Parts: sequence; structure tokens; C-alpha cells
Amino acid sequence: DAGVIQSPRHEVTEMGQEVTLRCKPISGHDYLFWYRQTMMRGLELLIYFNNNVPIDDSGMPEDRFSAKMPNASFSTLKIQPSEPRDSAVYFCASSSGGARIGELFFGEGSRLTVL
Amino acid sequence: AQSVAQPEDQVNVAEGNPLTVKCTYSVSGNPYLFWYVQYPNRGLQFLLKYITGDNLVKGSYGFEAEFNKSQTSFHLKKPSALVSDSALYFCAVRARGFKTIFGAGTRLFVKA
Repeated sequence: DAGVIQSPRHEVTEMGQEVTLRCKPISGHDYLFWYRQTMMRGLELLIYFNNNVPIDDSGMPEDRFSAKMPNASFSTLKIQPSEPRDSAVYFCASSSGGARIGELFFGEGSRLTVL
Repeated sequence: AQSVAQPEDQVNVAEGNPLTVKCTYSVSGNPYLFWYVQYPNRGLQFLLKYITGDNLVKGSYGFEAEFNKSQTSFHLKKPSALVSDSALYFCAVRARGFKTIFGAGTRLFVKA
């Protein structure tokens, strides 16, 4: 299995620009999570989906952030407009039930720098 | 609301010595508890979990963790540390639904 695939791995952009981060979960996983990691705030859960439906978006910092999951194999996290304080590593993770219930499989992350 | 506390920012141990990384949690209902490890510039990797049953859980790379309901703790342990165990360790809790919350992380440094 290829694991969770995130793109881009690195993104440098200027304040005010739109940023789109992409995630392909592990095939067959029905939960998808977006986390943000910073030194100051640690790992924050932004939003998670079940069967492509957003279940809890209470961690999304503000209206500039939006996430979609149009199908079981693709999700996006969009920031528009971006600000320097959005600089962080954004992780996507997927999960399923069965014997490995609750275990999250993380991608390698997308490191975002907003200048 | 659920929460996880890792009281130590960093743990230092000598290679070959036992190690403990502490974690306490707060959650309503029966928790699912997890430990993950993160190496530099990588995503988190699952180490072990407690859902129910035996309070001592064994996981990857020789790690184990002990669930203590009365103390609401889930400390990570290893009998003999390796230099290659040096990494960032996260405790996590899942309560209702699939919402998984992570602690702040503890950096483990194993000295040769």
C-alpha cells in the first residue's frame, strides 16, 4: 500500500495568496483527518470526515480555511487568503475500523511558509 | 471535553537504561488511548493502543504502555533504550466518535 499521500511537500507563498493542500487517503479507509502542527500550538485537529462527509470542523481556525472531500480518494484543504500565521506543517491522516480501529495513518505532511 | 497532558517537554536517558514517557488524559466515557512517534520531517507513526482488556499493552519496537484508570494515565515504557529511539513522542486520546486529540509531545533523547 502506498500510504497516505500529500502534496505539495513544501509550499512557499506570499501573504494574500490562495493555498491548496491535497491528500489521498489509504484505499478503503473511511475516515480522513486534517491536522496542523506548529511549535507553539502542537498538533491541532482542524477537521475530520467520515465517508466523505465533514463530521467535526470545530478546529478550523476561521473562515479563511475550508476543506472538501469530493470522493473517497481525495481531499483538499484550502486557505484563502493566506497569512504568515498560517505557516505550519499540515498533516492528513486516514483511518478505518476493524482490527486497526482508531489507528491513524499519517502522510508525510505539507510544510507551508507564508511570507 | 477530552484532553491529553504530557508533563515533560523532554526526557533524557542513557542507552540501555529503562525509559518512561508520561501521559495523563481527561475524557468522558471509556477512552481509546494511543502512542505515536515522529521522526524529523516525517509524519506520525502508530506505536500502540489501549482499547480494552489487559492494562499492559505491547507495541512496536519493544515499547509498551500501562493503562491506569484510577490515575487516568497511560505512560509509555521501554525496558532498554536505544539511541535510535530518540524522537518526538505523542500520546493521544479518542473518546466519542473518531475525534482524536494529541498531547503536546515529549522529546526523547537517548545518549550513547
